[in-house]
Amino acid sequence: NFILTQPHSVSESPGKTVIISCTGSSGSIASNYVQWYQQRPGSAPTTVIYDDNRRPSGVPDRFSGSIDSSSNSASLTISGLKTEDEADYYCQSYDGTNHVFGGGTKLTVL
Amino acid sequence: EVQLVESGGGLVKPGGSLRLSCAASGFSFSNAWMNWVRQAPGKGLEWVGRIKSKTDGGTTDYATPVSGRANISRDDSNKTFYLQMNSLKTEDTAVYYCTTAHYSSSWYGNDYWGQGTLVTVS
Repeated sequence: NFILTQPHSVSESPGKTVIISCTGSSGSIASNYVQWYQQRPGSAPTTVIYDDNRRPSGVPDRFSGSIDSSSNSASLTISGLKTEDEADYYCQSYDGTNHVFGGGTKLTVL
Repeated sequence: EVQLVESGGGLVKPGGSLRLSCAASGFSFSNAWMNWVRQAPGKGLEWVGRIKSKTDGGTTDYATPVSGRANISRDDSNKTFYLQMNSLKTEDTAVYYCTTAHYSSSWYGNDYWGQGTLVTVS
């Protein structure tokens, strides 16, 4: 089974940059697109990155995505952190048939 | 504007059944692959299953925990798709979201999400 592993939590100060990793268990994470979702408490998830590194309209360019084949991982980078960025973040890809979600990372901005 | 609106959640006893609906608007529903994703209280996101467009065969795929108990169907004329869940277990308690890709390069993105509907099995 293909598994995506994320850190349980990360924290950083406003104005700083944070990187959230998403590591694939097998195969090449670069083989299929990776998406990233933001979920604030009590709300449905929204897409912040799709197709590895593309931003939907309305998502600020402080959010960026990348793939590192050497570590078989994807990363979500949020720069110029704001308190409103505090949320859970999930990576997602697929194994050829099924969608696979990472376990989620709780971002605290303090 | 893309909109997905789920309905049909509620309280059901273990062993019971439930049918969730997702009404779609703002995009070409008949061409879209549609997904169900769930989130147990305090837990992460879990993909439940998908139905492809009729053009792509209209086939369904399910995650292992619900395989054999779930059935996804669609009504393109009414732009609605469904999740029928049978033999419900307490571990099926979750908020159920419908999702679809729209701007992603493949149908494996979840670009848009509904607001979710809560299913409680107790």
